[in-house]
Formats: sequence, structure tokens, C-alpha cells
Amino acid sequence: DAKTTQPNSMESNEEEPVHLPCNHSTISGTDYIHWYRQLPSQGPEYVIHGLTSNVNNRMASLAIAEDRKSSTLILHRATLRDAAVYYCILRRTQGGSEKLVFGKGMKLTVNP
Amino acid sequence: DSGVTQTPKHLITATGQRVTLRCSPRSGDLSVYWYQQSLDQGLQFLIQYYNGEERAKGNILERFSAQQFPDLHSELNLSSLELGDSALYFCASSGKTAHSGNTIYFGEGSWLTVV
Repeated sequence: DAKTTQPNSMESNEEEPVHLPCNHSTISGTDYIHWYRQLPSQGPEYVIHGLTSNVNNRMASLAIAEDRKSSTLILHRATLRDAAVYYCILRRTQGGSEKLVFGKGMKLTVNP
Repeated sequence: DSGVTQTPKHLITATGQRVTLRCSPRSGDLSVYWYQQSLDQGLQFLIQYYNGEERAKGNILERFSAQQFPDLHSELNLSSLELGDSALYFCASSGKTAHSGNTIYFGEGSWLTVV
């Protein structure tokens, strides 16, 4: 499974933007970049995904480097509810399966 | 609400016993995934079914088995339970076609405590 590298943790302040980085230097052309987050004792929650172009949705934006070897999840105005473990995942169809393989993720703390 | 329903939400059972966890995927989703999350292991992929057929196997023990039924709901059977099987078990589902760009939606999980 293709590997991603994230900081172990980050802190941000409420109502400020926060940029969550992810490196994926071994990404292949067909790998999708997915971001999920998980609040304590809850199931992982889909945030956003992209292939080559930057993506925006109601939760966040995803900025993908031109060489696709890194990406950044952008939360435009962090709220306390955004405090969670964030997972950056490369997803590919391999052996007929397109499962998600989770790494350790990055813990985001949002300060009031 | 992700649309993925898991039952039971909590379960306490003794070592050596057998339990069945049930998952109803989002309406129309053909893929079902099972994950295990324990404190020291993080989220581990167990198994995936697609339209009733096994598609991929991950770190699933031989004591565990799963199946997906014609109505697309899935069950995860855990037998000869050990203390180390205590964990949160998640079911997830995704799209009408198998594609890496599909979104996977997770249920709220089933808490299993083995005593």
C-alpha cells in the first residue's frame, strides 16, 4: 500500500484557517488522495478526496501539488468540532479491491 | 448520519464465546468493509465484500468470518473470543461500482468487550 506521511499532531485556534500537510512521494498515477477524520469513539468521517485538481466542498478544500507528491487539507475556519484525528490516505484499486488503508493519522487540537 | 447501520452498539461477552455483528450498508451500496480498531493497533482492515462476493482480506483471524447476503447486509462472526478481541468494530460501505474515487461511509461501530 502506498505510504503517506503526516505530522503526529498540530494545534490551531478556533475560527482561524488551518493547513494539514500530507506527503505521498510514492503516489502512482491512479491513486486517489482521500482525507478522513475521526472523533473519539466515532466512526471515521469522509472529508474530501481528489485525483489531480484542487477540490472544494462544504467541509474543506484539498490542494494537490502539481507533481502530486504532496497535498494539503485546508479547514477555512477551524471550530472545536474539527478537533479530531485526520487521516490522509492513498486509495487505489489493487487486487480487485479499493479498500482504505489507514495509517496513524494526525491529531488536530483546536484551541478556543 | 452516514446511512450505515451497525448492531449491536455495545456487547459484553465472555472468553470462548461467539458473537455476530450486523451491518446494513447505505441504500444501494454494493461494497461492505469491516475494520477493527483497538487502542494499540489503530484502524485495521479486516475484509471486503462486493455484491455478495469476498473481494479482499486483510488482517482477519481464522476465528473470524464474514458474509454478505443477497439483500447486501453483512455479518461479521467472531468465535472463540479472547480478551484481545475487545475492540471497536466498524462496518463501512461504498458505491454502486467498485472504484477508488468512491466515498466510503462508516457506521458508528460496535463496541465489543470480552471479559
